[in-house]
Amino acid sequence: GAGVSQSPRYKVAKRGQDVALRCDPISGHVSLFWYQQALGQGPEFLTYFQNEAQLDKSGLPSDRFFAERPEGSVSTLKIQRTQQEDSAVYLCASSLWVQASSGNTIYFGEGSWLTVV
Amino acid sequence: QKEVEQNSGPLSVPEGAIASLNCTYSDRGSQSFFWYRQYSGKSPELIMFIYSNGDKEDGRFTAQLNKASQYVSLLIRDSQPSDSATYLCAVNIPGGSSNTGKLIFGQGTTLQVKP
Repeated sequence: GAGVSQSPRYKVAKRGQDVALRCDPISGHVSLFWYQQALGQGPEFLTYFQNEAQLDKSGLPSDRFFAERPEGSVSTLKIQRTQQEDSAVYLCASSLWVQASSGNTIYFGEGSWLTVV
Repeated sequence: QKEVEQNSGPLSVPEGAIASLNCTYSDRGSQSFFWYRQYSGKSPELIMFIYSNGDKEDGRFTAQLNKASQYVSLLIRDSQPSDSATYLCAVNIPGGSSNTGKLIFGQGTTLQVKP
């Protein structure tokens, strides 16, 4: 596809339920990021992949959060035993290269809106 | 202290005026700076990036960087109602074994341009 695609766009989960959020980055992009954005806040970094390798997971808030990118393209963010504080927009982003540079724009998907009730 | 700080606003300006958005950052090792625009319910969209001290102009937008003061700003000239959005400042903070291009965002400033 032309852009970063995320699904589902909207998800309502009951507290305690497990959810899986999918990200399909721009074809050929090496870097993939997951961010969490609470209402009225800026995106907060969760984790980073370089191809299939998860090089940085320092932003994952708890061990209930797990991300994978097994073949270096599509990524899944899984949240186990969801809590109300997990309600947020989960943004996936990708970029062509690794290092931040003038040509290495990070493109965001439209996000998955998660509401935990 | 947050790593990237912005005034949440809202900043309200009349149509045709100059809107000035400000951002400060705490890590002196920060190398690159980005401004994203985010419309309500939409994803962030890159509008400007700057790496060197001074000004960088692109159409109606000017980014200003002062590394000594750890300050970056965005000026929008001839503001239009369509510029009404949240503007996110983002900073690349290198670290670890590789420069991953990870961005740290401020909370965003809401801009309202009134016709």
